[in-house]
This record gives sequence, structure tokens and C-alpha cells, in this order.
Amino acid sequence: NAGVMQNPRHLVRRRGQEARLRCSPMKGHSHVYWYRQLPEEGLKFMVYLQKENIIDESGMPKERFSAEFPKEGPSILRIQQVVRGDSAAYFCASSPPGQQGLYEQYFGPGTRLTVT
Amino acid sequence: AQSVTQLDSQVPVFEEAPVELRCNYSSSVSVYLFWYVQYPNQGLQLLLKYLSGSTLVKGINGFEAEFNKSQTSFHLRKPSVHISDTAEYFCAGDAGGTSYGKLTFGQGTILTVHP
Repeated sequence: NAGVMQNPRHLVRRRGQEARLRCSPMKGHSHVYWYRQLPEEGLKFMVYLQKENIIDESGMPKERFSAEFPKEGPSILRIQQVVRGDSAAYFCASSPPGQQGLYEQYFGPGTRLTVT
Repeated sequence: AQSVTQLDSQVPVFEEAPVELRCNYSSSVSVYLFWYVQYPNQGLQLLLKYLSGSTLVKGINGFEAEFNKSQTSFHLRKPSVHISDTAEYFCAGDAGGTSYGKLTFGQGTILTVHP
């Protein structure tokens, strides 16, 4: 059973460009979470999604950031008009369905975004 | 709001020595607690979790943690470390309720095991 997959692993964007980060959850998992790790900081929750639904986006910046988890395909974290402060590692996690599954988050290897 | 504090940013230790990584949490709500390990350029791996029941939790790789409600702590311990334990360790909490799945992480502790 493949783990959580994220691509690309490394992404370089110039200021003002768009960044699209992809996350494929583990097989059978229906919950996806996105976290951001800024340099010298711990991980910060961004958004929690189930298929076609955003459950909790309280950690998402109000502008330029959006996330989706369509019925088919990977979850996408989209950052429009990137700025230098967006440079960070972005981690996706997934968990199995059901309430107990919420406490077993499996993390992907992350996408390291560098904005030049 | 839930908060998690890791008291040491770096912990150096010699191989085969015991180690304790400290974690405190805010006690405003019922809490579920976790320890994760992150090796360089990799994602986080779950070491152990406390949801309820016995306050002593055993995890993978010989690690264990004790939930102490009176001291609002969840310290991670290992009686004898190996070089391969060198990594960054994160304590995390979930406040439950409407926050299901929304983990709050501490700042991380870098454990360096010296030969």
C-alpha cells in the first residue's frame, strides 16, 4: 500500500507566479489535511478536506490560497501570486474514514516551495 | 485555543544513554496527544498517540510517553538511544470536538545522538 504521495517534491516559483501542490492520499483514506512548515517553526494547520468538501479552513490565509479535494484525483493546494513569505515546506496528511481514523494521520514527504 | 510547547529546541545525547523530550499542552479542553518523528527531507512518522485509557503509551522504535494530566505534560522517553534516532521530534495535540483532525504542533526538538 503506497503511502501519501506529494508532487512535486521541490518547486521553484518567481514572485507573482502560481504554485500548485498535489497530494494523493493513501488508498482508502477519505480525509486530507494540509500543513505548512515555515523555517525554524513547527507545522501549522491550514485546511482539512473530505471528498468535494472543505471541512475546516481556519488555518488558510484569507487571500491567494485555496484547496480542493475533488471526487476524482488528488487534492490540490493552490497559491496564487506567490510572495517570498510563501517559501516553506507544505505537508499533506491523510487519514482513514470514521471517527477513529481522524487520529491516525499519515504524512507525505512534503513539497518544498521556494519563491525567488 | 489549544497550544503545545516543546521545552527544548535541541537535545544532544550519547549513544545508549536515556533521553527525555519534554512537551506541555494547554488544558482548556479534552485532549488527544501525539509524538511524530521527522527524518531529514522526509515527512512525519507517527511514533505514538494518547487518546484515553492508560497514561503510559508505548510506541514504535522503543519510545514511550506518559500522559500527566496534573502537570499537563506528555514527555517522550527512550531508555537507550541509537545513532539512527537522530531526527526532529514533534509533539502535537488535537482538541477534539469540532477540531477533530486539526493538529496543533510544538516547535520541534532536534535530537542528536553522538557515538
